[in-house]
Amino acid sequence: DIVMTQSPDSLAVSLGERATINCKSSQSVLYSSNNKNYLAWYQQKPGQPPKLLISWASTRESGVPDRFSGSGSGTDFTLTISSLQAEDVAVYYCQQYYTTPPMYTFGQGTKLEIK
Amino acid sequence: QLQLQESGPGLVKPSETLFLTCIVSGGSISSSSYYWGWIRQPPGKGLEWIGSFYYGGSTYYNPSLKSRVAISVDTSKNQVSLKLSSVTAADAALYYCARQVGWYSSSSGHAYYFDFWGQGALVTVSS
Repeated sequence: DIVMTQSPDSLAVSLGERATINCKSSQSVLYSSNNKNYLAWYQQKPGQPPKLLISWASTRESGVPDRFSGSGSGTDFTLTISSLQAEDVAVYYCQQYYTTPPMYTFGQGTKLEIK
Repeated sequence: QLQLQESGPGLVKPSETLFLTCIVSGGSISSSSYYWGWIRQPPGKGLEWIGSFYYGGSTYYNPSLKSRVAISVDTSKNQVSLKLSSVTAADAALYYCARQVGWYSSSSGHAYYFDFWGQGALVTVSS
């Protein structure tokens, strides 16, 4: 299985400041045939289901504010919130969908709070 | 507007079988564009993929649960069902149904991620 490891486990950032969450996969999730990284980011607010923010490591979903961005390739990825808003308090998960046949795995989550 | 609504018994006894259903509205489970997946989340913990179903005839399961899990669909009711046998306390969780979007090709594999989630159904395991 591909193990996804996020860092840090929790993070406190001041309003308006940048928040950075890292995700590392135990093997590359870059598909050489199409040069795509099979990695997604989700946001889970308290009492809610996860919400897809980013697919293909850097493609923001429709309606997701542009302060959210994803970057990275291969085994190392980053979710960045450029200017933290109060509504961004949540747990963030990365997930790989590289494995064939499917064996999807998630990171353990990073809890983001306001400092 | 797509809606996914999970439902189930809420409380299951140890060693018994859990049955959950996910009613899909605003979309068709028969669409060739999507997979339909189940994911669970123990209280206060992270996400674990259980399995996924593709109407074209493929079903995929997490190897750690494969011997106890079955996913099926009822196209007449537009619903996806999950069966988990021989439950233990470790199976207590919030169970989510989710739509998966993406594609499959021999050159790029099964590229499906979870683009829409239901609210979840809470399952407690206790005698």
